[in-house]
Amino acid sequence: RKEVEQDPGPFNVPEGATVAFNCTYSNSASQSFFWYRQDCRKEPKLLMSVYSSGNEDGRFTAQLNRASQYISLLIRDSKLSDSATYLCVVNIGRGSYIPTFGRGTSLIVHP
Amino acid sequence: SAVISQKPSRDICQRGTSLTIQCQVDSQVTMMFWYRQQPGQSLTLIATANQGSEATYESGFVIDKFPISRPNLTFSTLTVSNMSPEDSSIYLCSVQDSTDTQYFGPGTRLTVL
Repeated sequence: RKEVEQDPGPFNVPEGATVAFNCTYSNSASQSFFWYRQDCRKEPKLLMSVYSSGNEDGRFTAQLNRASQYISLLIRDSKLSDSATYLCVVNIGRGSYIPTFGRGTSLIVHP
Repeated sequence: SAVISQKPSRDICQRGTSLTIQCQVDSQVTMMFWYRQQPGQSLTLIATANQGSEATYESGFVIDKFPISRPNLTFSTLTVSNMSPEDSSIYLCSVQDSTDTQYFGPGTRLTVL
């Protein structure tokens, strides 16, 4: 089993839709959690950190469920510009904390 | 946030040759990483570049193939040695700040013929 798993999609949604991605992790000794966004042929960029209490940034909401070992990302009112690959990142404790990436979930928002 | 530059941005190389990729950060950072991203795939961690000591390699990656230098807290190099077409990929360096947030360089796109 991979340490960090994501549904690769693609998720194909119309503008204005709400879409949710999940990411599961296998190592309970995981310290910190993030969602990154990667546009085609570009490097990943931080979208948001994920806190235990959940956090929101505009149309984006991230949640962490430690008991079930998953994090989620909810995007409301999707825009065409949201089309990208969304990467789940978990810092896994292996001596030191090593960032481990999921394979990414592709989102396509169409008119 | 950190600003990271990588050189070269892309290269086309012949099999059997080696390429050294440079990563420069605009501030001192403790944690620096090298990743590989093959077409349509996610990022795979190659190694953690440790300042003043040998890099820590992930399973499947060895020092002879991917030697790494980290002479100070703002600079690192990754060499892809004795290249084959299977090494064609994007190579990315990243740094991690005190909040565990990572910042990535723009990547080096390598094609091996």
